[in-house]
Amino acid sequence: DIQMTQSPSSLSASVGDRVTITCRASQSISTYLNWYQQRPGKAPKLLIYAASTLQSGVPSRFSGSGSGTDFTLTINSLQPEDFATYYCQQSFRAPALTFGGGTKVEV
Amino acid sequence: EVQLVESGGGLVKPGGSLRLSCVASGFTFSTYTMTWVRQAPGKGLEWLSSISNSSSYISYADSLKGRFTISRDNAKNSLYLQMNNLRAEDAAVFYCARVSYDSNGFFSSFDFWGQGTLVTVSS
Repeated sequence: DIQMTQSPSSLSASVGDRVTITCRASQSISTYLNWYQQRPGKAPKLLIYAASTLQSGVPSRFSGSGSGTDFTLTINSLQPEDFATYYCQQSFRAPALTFGGGTKVEV
Repeated sequence: EVQLVESGGGLVKPGGSLRLSCVASGFTFSTYTMTWVRQAPGKGLEWLSSISNSSSYISYADSLKGRFTISRDNAKNSLYLQMNNLRAEDAAVFYCARVSYDSNGFFSSFDFWGQGTLVTVSS
C-alpha cells in the first residue's frame, strides 16, 4: 500500500493568514493526489484533484501543488469557514485510494 | 443536485451484523463506481471498498478480512455494505461516496459524499 503522511497534524492560525499543509507519499504518485476538507460533524468535501485542479465551486484562495512524492495545499487569506481538518488522498494505486492522517487547522 | 443518503447504522453487539444502504439521486447512478469510507471516532478516513457501475469489479481493504460485502442495485439507485462479525474497532461513521474518473479513465477522486451513518459496536 502507498502510505500518505501529512504534516503538521495540527496548526493554529488566524483569519487572514496564509496556511500551508504538506503531504508526502511513500512512493512516487505523479500528480494523483487529492485534497479534502472536513468540517466538524460533516462529510468530507473534495477541494482539489490531480494535485492542483480546483473542484467546481471551491474558492480560489485554495491551491495545490506538487508531483512525485511531495505535495502542498495552500490556503491564502484564511476565512472563518476554513477552520477544519484537511486530508490528502492518493489515487495512483486504485482502487485503494488511501488517505493521509489529516491536518487540523484551528484558531 | 447530487445527493447520497446513507442509512442502516445503529447499535450492534460484537459478533453481530448490519447492512448499510446508500440511496443516490441527482445523477445517473448506474454509470458510476461507488465506494464506502469509514471514520472511527476522532480518527481519520479509511477507504473500505469500491464497486464498479455494473458490479463487475469489486475491491476491499485488506483490513476487512472478508467480513464486509459491497453490492449495489442500479434499478433502485442503491449501494449496500453488508457487515458481519462486527468488532468494537469497526465502530465508525460510514460514508458512501461517488468515484470520479479522469480523462484517461483512471480513478480520480471521491467527488460527492453522503452525510454518513453511525455504527456503534458494544455489548
